[in-house]
Amino acid sequence: SAVISQKPSRDICQRGTSLTIQCQVDSQVTMMFWYRQQPGQSLTLIATANQGSEATYESGFVIDKFPISRPNLTFSTLTVSNLSPEDSSIYLCSVQKAGTGGYGYTFGSGTRLTVV
Amino acid sequence: GEDVEQSLFLSVREGDSSVINCTYTDSSSTYLYWYKQEPGAGLQLLTYIFSNMDMKQDQRLTVLLNKKDKHLSLRIADTQTGDSAIYFCAEGNGRQLTFGSGTQLTVLP
Repeated sequence: SAVISQKPSRDICQRGTSLTIQCQVDSQVTMMFWYRQQPGQSLTLIATANQGSEATYESGFVIDKFPISRPNLTFSTLTVSNLSPEDSSIYLCSVQKAGTGGYGYTFGSGTRLTVV
Repeated sequence: GEDVEQSLFLSVREGDSSVINCTYTDSSSTYLYWYKQEPGAGLQLLTYIFSNMDMKQDQRLTVLLNKKDKHLSLRIADTQTGDSAIYFCAEGNGRQLTFGSGTQLTVLP
C-alpha cells in the first residue's frame, strides 16, 4: 500500500488565521481525499482532490473555506481558512492507489488542529 | 444518502472474543471495510470484504457479511489489551468511503 506523509501532525492556531496541511505520497495515486474527524465523531469526506482541476466538494463544504491544491499525482494540500473554534478537528488525507481496486485506501496519520 | 451505523461502545475481558456489528444502507456497496484507530493515530485498515463474499478470515479476525440484511460484523478472537481502540466500519461504492460512527472497544484485564 502507499505510504503517506501528512504535515503538520498537530497545530494550535488563532481564530481568523489559516492552516495549510500537506499530504505527500510515496507513489503515484489516482485518487486523493480529504476527511474531517470532529471530536468524538466519525470521518466526513470534505472533498476529492483532482489532479490538474478543481477539487470536488461534498455537500456542506465550500472551496472558499477549504481550498485544495493537487499539482501532481503524489501531493496535495488542504487549507482551512478563517479559522474558528468549530474547525478544531483531525484532518486526514487518504489515497487510493491505481490498480488496487476497492481495497486500496490508505490514510495518513492525521493533523490535529486546535483553534483558540 | 448512504448511512452506516455502529454501536458506540463495547467492553470485553482479555482473552474473550469481541464482536463489533455494523449496518449499512447502500445496496451498491462493492467493498466493506474495518479500520482501527488508536489514540492520536490515523486509520489503519484491518481487513476488507468484497460484497459478493459471506465471510473472510485473517488470523484473529473474522468478517461476516449478510448482504440481504446489509449487516457486517468483525469478530476478534482472543482479544488483547492492544486491541483497545476505535473500530470503524466503512462501505465503498467505488468512488468514496462512508464511515460509521466508530465503536470504542475497551479490553479489561
